[in-house]
Amino acid sequence: SYVLTQPPSVSVAPGKTARITCGGNNIGSKSVHWYQQKPGQAPVLVVYDDSDRPSGIPERFSGSNSGNTATLTISRVEAGDEADYYCQVWDSSSDHHVFGTGTKVTVL
Amino acid sequence: QVQLVQSGAEVKKPGSSVKVSCKASGGTFSSYAISWVRQAPGQGLEWMGGIIPIFGTANYAQKFQGRVTITADKSTSTAYMELSSLRSEDTAVYYCAREYCSSTSCYLDYWGQGTLVTVSS
Repeated sequence: SYVLTQPPSVSVAPGKTARITCGGNNIGSKSVHWYQQKPGQAPVLVVYDDSDRPSGIPERFSGSNSGNTATLTISRVEAGDEADYYCQVWDSSSDHHVFGTGTKVTVL
Repeated sequence: QVQLVQSGAEVKKPGSSVKVSCKASGGTFSSYAISWVRQAPGQGLEWMGGIIPIFGTANYAQKFQGRVTITADKSTSTAYMELSSLRSEDTAVYYCAREYCSSTSCYLDYWGQGTLVTVSS
């Protein structure tokens, strides 16, 4: 089955830029989606189809995808961005969803 | 606005079954798939399976094949996830989520609040 690998943790100072990677075999050929999950809450979709944002998600959240790595970028990081982030792809051949291992973002 | 409201927390004995419900409102229930995702304590998200209510056929992750049954009742806009032969490792928060498909892919755009299932003797 398809495997998505994320770094366990990323630390960033307020106002700086956080980059969270999601590695997978030829992931650039798939559409990648990103979720934010704060403690005790359900996940929230923050980026879909590599780089689109749902309504209500700040422009500070952006995404890219190429080769074997997709990246979620959070610009001008705020304390409220501290959360776990998961990437996800959909396998069209099996109609299965696959999640990445998750990354904990800590705002210093 | 789509809302998914799940049933309350459950405590189950090993070997028993649990059935969690997910009631949808604010959208066209039958036209979108509902997925079930679980999260064990301190762990990541794990997709279990899904169903498109209008077709009624479910699709399961291989790990849960034979132990999970996902159904949907169009008349009440409610989806169900039943997990059998419970063991302690099934202790987790179980989420339902609506699946939206763009021209290229599918993702989960609305989520329920989660249901904690605790398996303990």
